[in-house]
Amino acid sequence: DAGVTQSPTHLIKTRGQHVTLRCSPISGHKSVSWYQQVLGQGPQFIFQYYEKEERGRGNFPDRFSARQFPNYSSELNVNALLLGDSALYLCASSLEPPPLTYEQYFGPGTRLTVT
Amino acid sequence: GQQLNQSPQSMFIQEGEDVSMNCTSSSIFNTWLWYKQDPGEGPVLLIALYKAGELTSNGRLTAQFGITRKDSFLNISASIPSDVGIYFCAGQLRNNNDMRFGAGTRLTVKP
Repeated sequence: DAGVTQSPTHLIKTRGQHVTLRCSPISGHKSVSWYQQVLGQGPQFIFQYYEKEERGRGNFPDRFSARQFPNYSSELNVNALLLGDSALYLCASSLEPPPLTYEQYFGPGTRLTVT
Repeated sequence: GQQLNQSPQSMFIQEGEDVSMNCTSSSIFNTWLWYKQDPGEGPVLLIALYKAGELTSNGRLTAQFGITRKDSFLNISASIPSDVGIYFCAGQLRNNNDMRFGAGTRLTVKP
């Protein structure tokens, strides 16, 4: 069985540009969450989606947005990139959203470098 | 804010030794989870805890949900070289849909 997949694996962008990151959840999983992991730190929650609706949002600026599609895949968009946006962006999927389950399964991440 | 304080930051142990790490917070959590992350990969779920006082094992790993709901620990018995990695605690706050992560414990196992 395929796990959570993310694309691209690596990305280099320039300050001010925008970026779109993609995630496909485990088959049958309906909930997707996005996290930002800066080097040396734990993941930080950005968004959680279930059935195409935003169910949770972390403390990130409006430059960050996301959406979930009918097939439960998801995109994370970041506009007006800053150097500080350089990080590993992780997608996690779960069968159901919280509080039905808190057990999430992570993809390998997309490494974004902003220069 | 509702930070998770994870300790120790790093550990260097000999193969065969037991390991213990913990997470504490000033806030109450509904759920505690423990993840392991290898370089270049996403975190892998090890153990999930749902009730205060709950003690759960997964092979050589044992984790407990603190009775106050504000802490959790993870023990690894008889460590082996493949235990090397970064271990993260994560907690789900009461009445909140997001997951908070600790800063991680980096474990090194010397053969």
